[in-house]
Parts: sequence; structure tokens; C-alpha cells
Amino acid sequence: EAQVTQNPRYLITVTGKKLTVTCSQNMNHEYMSWYRQDPGLGLRQIYYSMNVEATDKGDVPEGYKVSRKEKRNFPLILESPSPNQTSLYFCASSPRPGTGSSGANVLTFGAGSRLTVL
Amino acid sequence: EDKVVQSPLSLVVHEGDTVTLNCSYEVTNFRSLLWYKQEKKAPTFLFMLTSSGIEKKSGRLSSILDKKELFSILNITATQTGDSAVYLCAVDPIQGAQKLVFGQGTRLTINP
Repeated sequence: EAQVTQNPRYLITVTGKKLTVTCSQNMNHEYMSWYRQDPGLGLRQIYYSMNVEATDKGDVPEGYKVSRKEKRNFPLILESPSPNQTSLYFCASSPRPGTGSSGANVLTFGAGSRLTVL
Repeated sequence: EDKVVQSPLSLVVHEGDTVTLNCSYEVTNFRSLLWYKQEKKAPTFLFMLTSSGIEKKSGRLSSILDKKELFSILNITATQTGDSAVYLCAVDPIQGAQKLVFGQGTRLTINP
């Protein structure tokens, strides 16, 4: 089944304890992205990657790191989590934007990771 | 700054009613507008609209785009309890930072 898989799905941690949220897709997509979803603010992009070893900041990158060493994986790293990073996180992927019949970036989302930082 | 605004933010109706969800946008270079349905977990893709006036339809759901007035609507007829979800509108701009710009979402609740 074509899908984006995130882990963990739920996590409670404490301020300053490094954590990684993994993301893997099996659709051979070039583009991958991380979003966070907060009440009243909608989905906001954290980082994105156009291909292996090509990552760039989105709208809210502070406090996060990413890497793209393999095409299928795009982990999100919180080096020193803080309470304001409590949120619902989504990984998403798509074929390379600008290609396809319309060029549109139709994202396939993972199931989400709910993170609470105490 | 690119912006998407959805209305209403919340809507409660009875099963069988017809609902219209609104999405207005401001974007520098427009490529497409997308609708997603979000139940308890991942947003799932509903429609992609690129041209004005062409209705996209899937069962009881339909959507249309007006590129002159910069808005889209999502219609759901004969609503069912399974339609209860958050409906997200997003714009895909042609720009350097590759991202979808999302609205806040409309939380739709269908009561039996």
C-alpha cells in the first residue's frame, strides 16, 4: 500500500530531551515536507526537501532540524524540545512539484505524530 | 504574504442537509487550489482545481474555483454522519519555497 509512515504516533517528553520523529514513504517521491498543525493556525510548513541531500526551511523552522540521506526517509529532529513545540506533526510527500499533468504539489500525508513537551 | 481564509470555521448541521464551505485566497503566483478532508488523522486529498468555472465532482461532493474573485467552494449534498471532519483548503503557489499554504480549516459536524 502506498503510504507515508511516521513514528512515534504519540510522544510525551520533557524540555531539553532530544527526540527524532521518523518519516518514511514507499512511493519513490522526490519531495518531502514536515508540517505542524496548531489550533487556529492551520498547517504550517517546517522544512521541506526537493530530493536527497536537498533540504530547505519552511515558515517555522526554528528549533527543528531535518536530514535527507535517502530518498524514502525524512526524519524531523528536535535537538532541545520546548513546550511551544507541543503540536501535531505531519510528514508529507509528493512527486516533484512542477511535474505531472498540472505541476501541482498534491501531498500525501502521514497519520500524524502528536508531541507533548512538558 | 500568501494567505488562505476559510469560512465558516465551524458548522453543525443535520444529516441530509446540504452544506457549502468557503475558501478565499491571496497568492502571488497561483498554480492550483486543493481540498483535503481530515478526520482523526491524516488529511486525505479530495480535489485539485486549476481552472475557473470547471466543477470537480466526486459523489456527493463537488467543488469549483473562481480565479477572478479568488475563491473556491466545496459543496456536500445529502450529508451523512461520515462527512463529519475538518475540511482543509490549500493553495499551491508557483514560488521558490515549495509548499502548500493552508487555511485554518472548517470543522463540519453532521448530527443524525
